[in-house]
Amino acid sequence: GDSVTQMEGPVTLSEEAFLTINCTYTATGYPSLFWYVQYPGEGLQLLLKATKADDKGSNKGFEATYRKETTSFHLEKGSVQVSDSAVYFCALLKTSYDKVIFGPGTSLSVIP
Amino acid sequence: EAGVVQSPRYKIIEKKQPVAFWCNPISGHNTLYWYLQNLGQGPELLIRYENEEAVDDSQLPKDRFSAERLKGVDSTLKIQPAELGDSAVYLCASSSGQAPYEQYFGPGTRLTVT
Repeated sequence: GDSVTQMEGPVTLSEEAFLTINCTYTATGYPSLFWYVQYPGEGLQLLLKATKADDKGSNKGFEATYRKETTSFHLEKGSVQVSDSAVYFCALLKTSYDKVIFGPGTSLSVIP
Repeated sequence: EAGVVQSPRYKIIEKKQPVAFWCNPISGHNTLYWYLQNLGQGPELLIRYENEEAVDDSQLPKDRFSAERLKGVDSTLKIQPAELGDSAVYLCASSSGQAPYEQYFGPGTRLTVT
């Protein structure tokens, strides 16, 4: 079945460090891919998305490129801030009639 | 534009008691979802509505869980009776039903069953 795998956390980085959170997926067809972020005590917020191969989603300094050849959608940020501390979820969606399948989440802590 | 609204934000009940959660989706969003999120895990779909019709409830434990979306807007998720294992965050999300079908989430209701 369809699934999403993320690198295990927690990830701890110093402020201004480079961030990569790996995400790979298994799915038939051509899913849309998403990164959601969940800050402590809050619901999930859509961070960025990509709907087809080679698309690059970007928002708030975060980027991810839809790589169909490697079935990956890795999240990157060049310089993290303390305010980026949160849990990040990679997710896929095939059509409007399929549920979103989430990865297990990766917790990020950024220390000053 | 207002986001997805959920209430209550927190609920503590004793096992075997009933509990209900309410969700108001983004205006104009016809698709509504209820998710269960256990600690340290990603959300898992419980039920999906298209307007007032439940089109996917395959993951809803129907012996104790029920949901409704009267008039195709607000929705209520109920648990009766609650069990200790139901302690989790219950998330509501909505979608416009148009590509790329992204979902917008509410803040969730954190349920603790004692």
